Amino acid sequence: KAGVTQTPRYLIKTRGQQVTLSCSPISGHRSVSWYQQTPGQGLQFLFEYFSETQRNKGNFPGRFSGRQFSNSRSEMNVSTLELGDSALYLCASSLASGSDTGELFFGEGSRLTVL
Amino acid sequence: AQTVTQSQPEMSVQEAETVTLSCTYDTSESNYYLFWYKQPPSRQMILVIRQEAYKQQNATENRFSVNFQKAAKSFSLKISDSQLGDTAMYFCAFMKGSGGGADGLTFGKGTHLIIQP
Repeated sequence: KAGVTQTPRYLIKTRGQQVTLSCSPISGHRSVSWYQQTPGQGLQFLFEYFSETQRNKGNFPGRFSGRQFSNSRSEMNVSTLELGDSALYLCASSLASGSDTGELFFGEGSRLTVL
Repeated sequence: AQTVTQSQPEMSVQEAETVTLSCTYDTSESNYYLFWYKQPPSRQMILVIRQEAYKQQNATENRFSVNFQKAAKSFSLKISDSQLGDTAMYFCAFMKGSGGGADGLTFGKGTHLIIQP
């Protein structure tokens, strides 16, 4: 069974641009969560989607948004990029909402660099 | 809000030794999960072990075991017979259980574990 797939793996953007990251969960998994990983702040929860609905959202500005499609694939979007958005963005999937199973499977991440 | 604290930024041990990574947490929740995740240099986060708060018995997975002290809010990871492949960042993480209003995983800052040959 294929794992969680994130694309692109690496990307470089300039300030003010926007970016869209994609995540394909493990087949059969209906929940997708997103995390931001930076050296300074560590790993921080962005949001969770389950059955195309945003279940939870972390403490991030409205520039960070996401969605989930009927096939459970998810995208996250960051608009008006700032230098501080440079990070590794991790996607995780689970069978049901993470709070119900307590177990997440992570992808390898998308490394975003903002210049 | 929950907090997770890992007080050891880096640890180094010899291959085959036993090593214990520390983690403390703070929460007012009664229903929750605790995890140890491993992030090797390739970056993919891998679940090492999971503990449900309502279970008194400590979780074990092969060479990995935890010492869960609920009253002390402590959740340490013991790696026995350490191997070179255990070299990675280890993150302790907390998640509220069902009905508690899930906020995703709350991670500690991580411990960089280096296994020396």
